[in-house]
Amino acid sequence: AQTVTQSQPEMSVQEAETVTLSCTYDTSENNYYLFWYKQPPSRQMILVIRQEAYKQQNATENRFSVNFQKAAKSFSLKISDSQLGDTAMYFCAFMMGGATNKLIFGTGTLLAVQP
Amino acid sequence: KAGVTQTPRYLIKTRGQQVTLSCSPISGHRSVSWYQQTPGQGLQFLFEYFSETQRNKGNFPGRFSGRQFSNSRSEMNVSTLELGDSALYLCASSPGTPGTEQYFGPGTRLTVT
Repeated sequence: AQTVTQSQPEMSVQEAETVTLSCTYDTSENNYYLFWYKQPPSRQMILVIRQEAYKQQNATENRFSVNFQKAAKSFSLKISDSQLGDTAMYFCAFMMGGATNKLIFGTGTLLAVQP
Repeated sequence: KAGVTQTPRYLIKTRGQQVTLSCSPISGHRSVSWYQQTPGQGLQFLFEYFSETQRNKGNFPGRFSGRQFSNSRSEMNVSTLELGDSALYLCASSPGTPGTEQYFGPGTRLTVT
């Protein structure tokens, strides 16, 4: 069974600084997808970034980038130039390839951006 | 495009009752997934429906069931409610192709007393 582990329950960063959130996963599959989702307080979950396992290039979306280490089964999220609006719970999620959209989530990291 | 909508947003029920939650996906999306979010267990997958068929199911008791209609709208039902069913129930829609982004609704907050 696949598992996703986020070892940092809470993190804090100063506005404009850079922060990295950790995520490791366990799978014996080769075809899968990885995601980072953001859930702001009392607001909807939204996708931050998506990575296809067969692509070696790390995904980037504006200030958000990932460090995808397939052999180490590691998928960390780097947020550059942190903004107050980045304050949220961040979830790492795994999806197997094939005919399913089932997401397996980690326990989340609560990120607080301090002014 | 309108986003994913879930109704009702808040619900209070008594143990033993049953409840039905509704989810309307983004127009054109054929896949709807349901998740339960609790402080203790985190986010757990309940089931996924694609073109009116259950495509995948999580490890929840049979009290949890769902269905999808021809317009892709989905409902989930929980019978014989228990206190532990208190949670935020999230619905997510996607076009259906595996690996694509899931768009989440605002959730239904269910409280069982």
